[in-house]
Amino acid sequence: AQTVTQSQPEMSVQEAETVTLSCTYDTSESNYYLFWYKQPPSRQMILVIRQEAYKQQNATENRFSVNFQKAAKSFSLKISDSQLGDTAMYFCAFMKTPNAGNMLTFGGGTRLMVKP
Amino acid sequence: DAGITQSPRYKITETGRQVTLMCHQTWSHSYMFWYRQDLGHGLRLIYYSAAADITDKGEVPDGYVVSRSKTENFPLTLESATRSQTSVYFCASSTGLQETQYFGPGTRLLVL
Repeated sequence: AQTVTQSQPEMSVQEAETVTLSCTYDTSESNYYLFWYKQPPSRQMILVIRQEAYKQQNATENRFSVNFQKAAKSFSLKISDSQLGDTAMYFCAFMKTPNAGNMLTFGGGTRLMVKP
Repeated sequence: DAGITQSPRYKITETGRQVTLMCHQTWSHSYMFWYRQDLGHGLRLIYYSAAADITDKGEVPDGYVVSRSKTENFPLTLESATRSQTSVYFCASSTGLQETQYFGPGTRLLVL
């Protein structure tokens, strides 16, 4: 079974600064997918970024980028130029290869507070 | 563009009652999912469906029943609600096995 660990329950950052959220996972699979989801106070889950394990290049979406270290099974999220609207819970998630049922396994979440 | 919707958004019920949470998506996505979110546990998969009339258990299926008679709907039923089922329930959908899942707004359920 896969496990996803987010070791930082809470973090804070000043507006306009950069923050990195950590995520590690445990799997015996060689091909898989990793995601970061954002959950603002409205509780809706919003996809932030996605990474395919077979790709060496780190995914980037505007101010959001990841540092994917496959050998270390690490998948951290970097938020640059933090904005007040980035305040939310952030969940790291793992998905196995297609033949395994397409189930998302989530970490416990990191609560990020962006301070003005 | 409605996307994926859930109803009701809030529900209070009593122990032993049957409750059905609705999920509807307008994208014609093949895959649909039900998760529950509890403090300290993140999201856990209850059931999922690969297509109409095809469903399968997730990590925490006990006490829940699902059906998928139409591609766009994926209701979740608590046949006899228990207090331990107090949670926030999220429905999600995706186009394929390796594709991104898109989540609904969630249903907050309180079982008294």
